[in-house]
Amino acid sequence: DAKTTQPNSMESNEEEPVHLPCNHSTISGTDYIHWYRQLPSQGPEYVIHGLTSNVNNRMASLAIAEDRKSSTLILHRATLRDAAVYYCILRDVGTDKLIFGTGTRLQVFP
Amino acid sequence: GAGVSQSPSNKVTEKGKDVELRCDPISGHTALYWYRQSLGQGLEFLIYFQGNSAPDKSGLPSDRFSAERTGESVSTLTIQRTQQEDSAVYLCASSLASGLATGELFFGEGSRLTVL
Repeated sequence: DAKTTQPNSMESNEEEPVHLPCNHSTISGTDYIHWYRQLPSQGPEYVIHGLTSNVNNRMASLAIAEDRKSSTLILHRATLRDAAVYYCILRDVGTDKLIFGTGTRLQVFP
Repeated sequence: GAGVSQSPSNKVTEKGKDVELRCDPISGHTALYWYRQSLGQGLEFLIYFQGNSAPDKSGLPSDRFSAERTGESVSTLTIQRTQQEDSAVYLCASSLASGLATGELFFGEGSRLTVL
């Protein structure tokens, strides 16, 4: 499975944008980029995924580099509820297995 | 409810005992996953079921761990002769997609296992 690298932790103030980076230099052409987040004492929840083009949904935006070797999850206005561990995961077409790394712990301050 | 349901939510057992953890996936979801999360750590993949295919057991840490799934419904994760290092939250997830790499996983709240 291709690996991802994320910073261990990041901090943000409430209502500011947050850019969570992820490096995946060994990504293959058929790998999708998925993001999940895990709020305290809960199971992970899906955030967003993409292949080549940037993606937007109600939760976040995903910006994918042209060479696909990195991506950035963008929270446009952080709220206290966004404090969580954010996981960037590569998922190959042909398998449903999802391998989580250690993620980035995001702290949001009022 | 409509989500993934796990039971028990908390289990305390003595070292050497066997435990069974149950997962009820979302109705109609063909894929089912078990993960383990030790305190302060990330998620460790254990096993994956997809329809009637042979399960992917590549993440099971030892032969004390086994899991079964009846058709596309309930799954049971069994840990035999529990050890203290088995203490963790065991998370179950289910998904609709098959081999498309796009399907969203829905997680349960987890079963917290404490081995004394």
